[in-house]
Amino acid sequence: GAVVSQHPSWVICKSGTSVKIECRSLDFQATTMFWYRQFPKQSLMLMATSNEGSKATYEQGVEKDKFLINHASLTLSTLTVTSAHPEDSSFYICSASHTGQGFTDTQYFGPGTRLTVL
Amino acid sequence: GEDVEQSLFLSVREGDSSVINCTYTDSSSTYLYWYKQEPGAGLQLLTYIFSNMDMKQDQRLTVLLNKKDKHLSLRIADTQTGDSAIYFCAESITGNNRKLIWGLGTSLAVNP
Repeated sequence: GAVVSQHPSWVICKSGTSVKIECRSLDFQATTMFWYRQFPKQSLMLMATSNEGSKATYEQGVEKDKFLINHASLTLSTLTVTSAHPEDSSFYICSASHTGQGFTDTQYFGPGTRLTVL
Repeated sequence: GEDVEQSLFLSVREGDSSVINCTYTDSSSTYLYWYKQEPGAGLQLLTYIFSNMDMKQDQRLTVLLNKKDKHLSLRIADTQTGDSAIYFCAESITGNNRKLIWGLGTSLAVNP
């Protein structure tokens, strides 16, 4: 149980284009989803937290107009990198949790999406 | 402030036990987690422990929590080459909007 998928697993795009990454919880309802960015040999950097049906909460220093997050349903969240540039190249990982009484708020992670911007 | 620290590298021989250590600063943590990340992959939840527990065992994994010293450890018995990965310690804090505070990860190398 608690499987999270991401699509695509990797993407290469030209500078200036937009890229959408999907994160799905396959066998549970994710009331909260998190988007992380990870640079090589580094820890995870939380970008934003999104609760189903409401606006995402962005961490300090993360541009909300550049990284658009939508969490329209309990099983799907999307991250759109708008007008991507080479410095946006990174490994993007989402996680999902089911919060509330009786749940541990444990985050279950997707396999990640490798974005390369040329 | 909130901080989680881990040693960066650990090397063990196949068949030995591995012990990965983690220290944290915030005493209001609710759960503490261990995640495993293999190269190019996402994070796999290994185990977690509630902050009012001292120990949790799950097959080859043993988690010890010393709340007084704010010290968490993960012991892997009979370490195998497939255990080579980066291990992240993370804590969740009451009222922190369910965010996790992450360590930098310990890279475990298992030598045959």
